Amino acid sequence: DADVTQTPRNRITKTGKRIMLECSQTKGHDRMYWYRQDPGLGLRLIYYSFDVKDINKGEISDGYSVSRQAQAKFSLSLESAIPNQTALYFCATSVGTAQETQYFGPGTRLLVL
Amino acid sequence: DQQVKQNSPSLSVQEGRISILNCDYTNSMFDYFLWYKKYPAEGPTFLISISSIKDKNEDGRFTVFLNKSAKHLSLHIVPSQPGDSAVYFCAAHFNDYKLSFGAGTTVTVRA
Repeated sequence: DADVTQTPRNRITKTGKRIMLECSQTKGHDRMYWYRQDPGLGLRLIYYSFDVKDINKGEISDGYSVSRQAQAKFSLSLESAIPNQTALYFCATSVGTAQETQYFGPGTRLLVL
Repeated sequence: DQQVKQNSPSLSVQEGRISILNCDYTNSMFDYFLWYKKYPAEGPTFLISISSIKDKNEDGRFTVFLNKSAKHLSLHIVPSQPGDSAVYFCAAHFNDYKLSFGAGTTVTVRA
């Protein structure tokens, strides 16, 4: 089984709809992250959480919110989706040590019409 | 403003030859650099890393070089194999453990 899973893998929604992307991990890591990937821009950090009680905004948090329900679960919400939120979204986890590696889920492809 | 830049969006190389991927950065406070590899419909996977106190790190066919004075790093793949065809992302650590990514380079290895 994959260590970091994301649901759904693909989603089509309409402008103005609220949607939630979910991430679960079995790695036992404290730190979790949400990124979006756009062509020509690489991955950009939306939100990150260093533990269940710690939530921080990344570089592009406007229009998004998150919830850390447990150590293993980190959800990303789009309260009112807009077309420029069409992107590939990745969840990642890490242990929380210096010079560490982040481990990524398979991604959710979101299309906002 | 992107602090990590990969100026070559694509690279085509013949099987068996060397692939060289380049990455430039602007923030001298980065202390750790990583390369990730991404296949279609999968998440990025860690490939190799280098600390800012080193200038070279090697792992099998993959070698990363760091030139701090030029704020430049490169990834060498020798010899290139068809399975190396993927998107490669350069990433850099801030000291609070966040990653800043480049835009990626798509490598195609020709038979």
